[in-house]
Parts: sequence; C-alpha cells; structure tokens
Amino acid sequence: NAGVMQNPRHLVRRRGQEARLRCSPMKGHSHVYWYRQLPEEGLKFMVYLQKENIIDESGMPKERFSAEFPKEGPSILRIQQVVRGDSAAYFCASSRDRVDGYTFGSGTRLTVV
Amino acid sequence: DAKTTQPNSMESNEEEPVHLPCNHSTISGTDYIHWYRQLPSQGPEYVIHGLTSNVNNRMASLAIAEDRKSSTLILHRATLRDAAVYYCILRSVDNYGQNFVFGPGTRLSVLP
Repeated sequence: NAGVMQNPRHLVRRRGQEARLRCSPMKGHSHVYWYRQLPEEGLKFMVYLQKENIIDESGMPKERFSAEFPKEGPSILRIQQVVRGDSAAYFCASSRDRVDGYTFGSGTRLTVV
Repeated sequence: DAKTTQPNSMESNEEEPVHLPCNHSTISGTDYIHWYRQLPSQGPEYVIHGLTSNVNNRMASLAIAEDRKSSTLILHRATLRDAAVYYCILRSVDNYGQNFVFGPGTRLSVLP
C-alpha cells in the first residue's frame, strides 16, 4: 500500500510560468489537504478537498492559486504566473475520513528562478 | 484549535530517553492531543495521539496530565534518526471543519 505520492519531488520554474503539483492520496482515502512550508517557517494549511469538492480553501492565496481533486486521478495544486515568493515545499496529506489522522507525502519543492 | 506551547528546541544524547513537553491549558473536553514529527526534507509523520489516558505505540508513549492541561511525548531510547521537529497539536472531533494547525514545534537534536 503505497503512501501519499507527490510528484514531482522537485520543480523549477521561471517567474511567470505555471506550476502543477500532483498528489495521489493513499488507497481508500477520499480527503486531501494541501499545506505550504516556506523556508525556515512552519506548515501552513492551504486547502481541503473531498472528491470533486473544495471544502475549505481559507488558506489559499486569493489569486493565482487553485486546487482540484477530480473523480478520477490525482489532486492538482496549480500556481499560475509564479513569483519568487512562491518558492516553498508543498505537502499533500490524505485521510480516510474527517476525524482520521493525516498521512503526508514527501512534498514537492518548488523553486522559482 | 486551542493553542499549544512547546519549547523551541531540545537536545538529547543517543540511546537516552527524551521527554518532550507540551502545554495546552485551554484544552476543551473534545480536543484530542496529536503528535506529529517532521524529519529533515520530509513531510510530517504521525507519531501518536490520545484523549485522556496514556497511550503507547511502537514509536513512543504519550503521557497526559490528569487535568489534561499538559502532555509529554516520551521517546524511550533516542536514536540519531529521531532528530526532527516535533509538533503537538490539539484537534477537536466536535468541529467537522477543523484542520490540523501546525505551530513551530520543538526541534530535537540527538547527539551521538
């Protein structure tokens, strides 16, 4: 049973390009969460999705960021027109239900040059 | 989430026990106490959680004060691989919409 799979592990983008981060939850998990960790800072919640629905996006920046979790396939965190300040580690977690603990992936490290 | 307070950093010698404290004086009756840890360059990893009684698993033990206003994560024999940031998080099962909120945690260094 593979854990939460995130890819790519490392992503380099030039300013103004788009970044797409993928997350495949653990088998049997239908709840997905995205967190961001800026260099030398703590983990900050971004968005919570449950198959095809965004449940809580209170931590998402208002512009350029979007997330989806389609019926088939991985969850995608999309960042349009990236800027240097978007450079961070982005972690995805999944859970079986809402009260369950989270299982985290190894993260995608985005570097904007 | 109710707030938790942890020391910024702690040091331990290899193969000695480590006691990581967490204060949560405003904990409510429905708050579970969760511990996660984050090894360098990795995502957070579940360690243990409990409500009122002490808990043991293969990774650690969780000792919860009788008034639940504090708890201690116990690593029985620290290894170099236990060097990580340890997060103590309160999460209520009463509120359906509640996410895990990570604070700064305690950075544990393990000396050989």
